[in-house]
Amino acid sequence: AQSVSQHNHHVILSEAASLELGCNYSYGGTVNLFWYVQYPGQHLQLLLKYFSGDPLVKGIKGFEAEFIKSKFSFNLRKPSVQWSDTAEYFCAVNNNNAGNMLTFGGGTRLMVKP
Amino acid sequence: EPEVTQTPSHQVTQMGQEVILRCVPISNHLYFYWYRQILGQKVEFLVSFYNNEISEKSEIFDDQFSVERPDGSNFTLKIRSTKLEDSAMYFCASRGDRVNGYTFGSGTRLTVV
Repeated sequence: AQSVSQHNHHVILSEAASLELGCNYSYGGTVNLFWYVQYPGQHLQLLLKYFSGDPLVKGIKGFEAEFIKSKFSFNLRKPSVQWSDTAEYFCAVNNNNAGNMLTFGGGTRLMVKP
Repeated sequence: EPEVTQTPSHQVTQMGQEVILRCVPISNHLYFYWYRQILGQKVEFLVSFYNNEISEKSEIFDDQFSVERPDGSNFTLKIRSTKLEDSAMYFCASRGDRVNGYTFGSGTRLTVV
């Protein structure tokens, strides 16, 4: 069964700091990769997704992620975070061969200090 | 932008009672899902639904759970006899074709007392 690991459970940054959140998955075949954000009290919102093509994916709000197949990774980055980026971030994987559901990582809670 | 709508936003129920959580997926989407998130834990897949039948379900989705698409627009999750450990945020999601991402609803917070 596939699994998704997010090694950073809690991250605290100051505004303008750079962000990188790690995501690794276990499946070796073709995968679709997603990052979702959950602001306090709100629902999951899609930040970006990778299906194929350029492994560097740009999403909303200045976020990007890089798919490195050899490392089974899909790390999320942002060059300069803002206080409004305080939220929980979830990496998710869909393996077409295992059905069409998403497998989520455990989430990373980001706090940005003003 | 189209949204997935879930009602109610909060529900409190007594242990042993039946609850029905409602979702209105995006109208032209074909795949429908329920996920749940117990407080402080990861989002877990419950069930997927396509072409009017369950296409996949997790170990969590036991005989106490059922899903239905009664009228072509609503997509419901029923828990027959709730337990304390069913307390969670339940998210509905829908998806169009395979290259589209999922759209999640805002969730229903279920509290079983």
